[in-house]
Amino acid sequence: GESVGLHLPTLSVQEGDNSIINCAYSNSASDYFIWYKQESGKGPQFIIDIRSNMDKRQGQRVTVLLNKTVKHLSLQIAATQPGDSAVYFCAENYSGTYKYIFGTGTRLKVLA
Amino acid sequence: DTGVSQNPRHKITKRGQNVTFRCDPISEHNRLYWYRQTLGQGPEFLTYFQNEAQLEKSRLLSDRFSAERPKGSFSTLEIQRTEQGDSAMYLCASSLTSLNEQFFGPGTRLTVL
Repeated sequence: GESVGLHLPTLSVQEGDNSIINCAYSNSASDYFIWYKQESGKGPQFIIDIRSNMDKRQGQRVTVLLNKTVKHLSLQIAATQPGDSAVYFCAENYSGTYKYIFGTGTRLKVLA
Repeated sequence: DTGVSQNPRHKITKRGQNVTFRCDPISEHNRLYWYRQTLGQGPEFLTYFQNEAQLEKSRLLSDRFSAERPKGSFSTLEIQRTEQGDSAMYLCASSLTSLNEQFFGPGTRLTVL
């Protein structure tokens, strides 16, 4: 079936440390992936995306890694800040559809 | 505010009533999506519009649900004969055809009593 899942429901990190949030996807036909950040009471906010022809993409303080062999996606946040506290979702899209499949989310807690 | 807006932000209704939500996408965004999100879960895709055409619908969208985007700008999502299981946050997102980044609105939280 189609599913996008996350290994850890909650991740606590010290302020200033790096965070790694993981995601497994099941559809090998997926060719586009997005990470979203959602704060309480708000809609998801785009963080970074990656296409299946890439294995790494960097943004400002964030890096997304894609391992198609094991169908694994990760989001790395450098120097985690209190403002990074939120729920993070990965989403996948497969070629030929407009449908995005979201995972259940990982809550990131930044400890002062 | 030039972002995606949704109205109302909150809606409480009794089971069996009809409700309608509105989404105003970012101006000139021709793609529009509706999602449903329950507590602790990721958004679930409901439907997609490109301009005024509804190009994809999820199996989640039962015959009680209908969405329109008559002029290719704002969109409405109507739920008829609401059930308690319809209680959720309904999110709208828009994007440009040339870009994949979806911009989400704040959502409409529906509570069915």
